[in-house]
Amino acid sequence: AQKVTQAQTEISVVEKEDVTLDCVYETRDTTYYLFWYKQPPSGELVFLIRRNSFDEQNEISGRYSWNFQKSTSSFNFTITASQVVDSAVYFCALTPSGSARQLTFGSGTQLTVLP
Amino acid sequence: DAMVIQNPRYQVTQFGKPVTLSCSQTLNHNVMYWYQQKSSQAPKLLFHYYDKDFNNEADTPDNFQSRRPNTSFCFLDIRSPGLGDAAMYLCATSRVGVEQYFGPGTRLTVT
Repeated sequence: AQKVTQAQTEISVVEKEDVTLDCVYETRDTTYYLFWYKQPPSGELVFLIRRNSFDEQNEISGRYSWNFQKSTSSFNFTITASQVVDSAVYFCALTPSGSARQLTFGSGTQLTVLP
Repeated sequence: DAMVIQNPRYQVTQFGKPVTLSCSQTLNHNVMYWYQQKSSQAPKLLFHYYDKDFNNEADTPDNFQSRRPNTSFCFLDIRSPGLGDAAMYLCATSRVGVEQYFGPGTRLTVT
């Protein structure tokens, strides 16, 4: 069984603050993928990143960075210098690698960035 | 641009009146998925197609059916919509085992 936990239901920050969204997962699979998706008010889920379970390198993309720690089963997402346009629901998700199986989503974190 | 397209973006149907939602993709992905998402919840997978092979989730009601006539198109049929079926319906595509790309969704209202 797989499970993804996003303990932060809602986070509110002021523009230009840094914010970290937490994601903890459980899986019995030895190889798997982790993802982050952004869902703005328009409703479309936007793919942000995929991380393979055997690649623990952290990744930075502009203001976004991801910290994958297999030892603690965590895949946290940090937004640096947040902007109002970052306001959205962010979902962390998990799937076994090499299969067309469903994504196991966390419950999502609603991020509100105030001007 | 390659993309996932869903039509219509908003659909209103009457209680018990069959409705069909459509999804098309230009990504040439072999897997297509349908998710149901209710307010403040994560998307819930209804079923997916791996090429022509249909895979139904165990808890998907019989009221929901799907068709995939070709690689590019996939349809979600709700045979007798109930008030509880009002939700956002998301279509997604992927190659096997990697990230899914989602369409903009169809928001279904049942009156």
